Amino acid sequence: QTVVTQEPSFSVSPGGTVTLTCALNSGSVSTTYYPSWYQQTPGQAPRTLIYSTNTRSSGVPDRFSGSILGNKAALTITGAQADDESDYYCVLYMGSGICVFGGGTKLTVL
Amino acid sequence: EVQVVESGGGLVQPGGSLRLSCAASGFTFSTYWMHWVRQVPGKGLVWVSRISTDGSTTYADSVQGRFTVSRDNAKNTVWLQMNSLRVDDTAVYYCVSGGRAYSLGFWGRGTLVTVSS
Repeated sequence: QTVVTQEPSFSVSPGGTVTLTCALNSGSVSTTYYPSWYQQTPGQAPRTLIYSTNTRSSGVPDRFSGSILGNKAALTITGAQADDESDYYCVLYMGSGICVFGGGTKLTVL
Repeated sequence: EVQVVESGGGLVQPGGSLRLSCAASGFTFSTYWMHWVRQVPGKGLVWVSRISTDGSTTYADSVQGRFTVSRDNAKNTVWLQMNSLRVDDTAVYYCVSGGRAYSLGFWGRGTLVTVSS
């Protein structure tokens, strides 16, 4: 059973920097899993932020960046703003069309 | 303008069936994988199924054998046929296009499926 784990919650001060991570129970996350990141605010459909580890989707501010940190995928928000307060999900591509979501991280900006 | 619009959700009894539709526009539908993702209200997103451009399909273990995804490229439409529905299938179902590099691209607003007696 593939399990992708994210921090359940995180808090950041306005203007601060926060790094959310995405781990895989079976081993290290690498670029071959094409990690992607999604932002969802309450009552809204998700929005694609990052694909292929570190490529920002069209229109995404450059304060959002993706990377591999150690054995995890990571999403870093630099200079957090109030409207960054959302749920963030990572997705790993497992091959054969199968995607696995992490459990999501609820980010609070205060 | 890209649009992905789901329909067909509603209330169904356990063991029943429901067919969700997803109409897409504003992009070359036939060249995109299409996915279904679901979300129990207040919980996380869960991938359900994918149909490729040539019609090959993949499913999450939790719906394998009960759900069937199909598409009609001439109608820019994808369907999710859900049979033998269970209470734990209750969720908002999102239709999502494939994105670049195996990501998820254009999201619909979702349709709520409630399985309850």
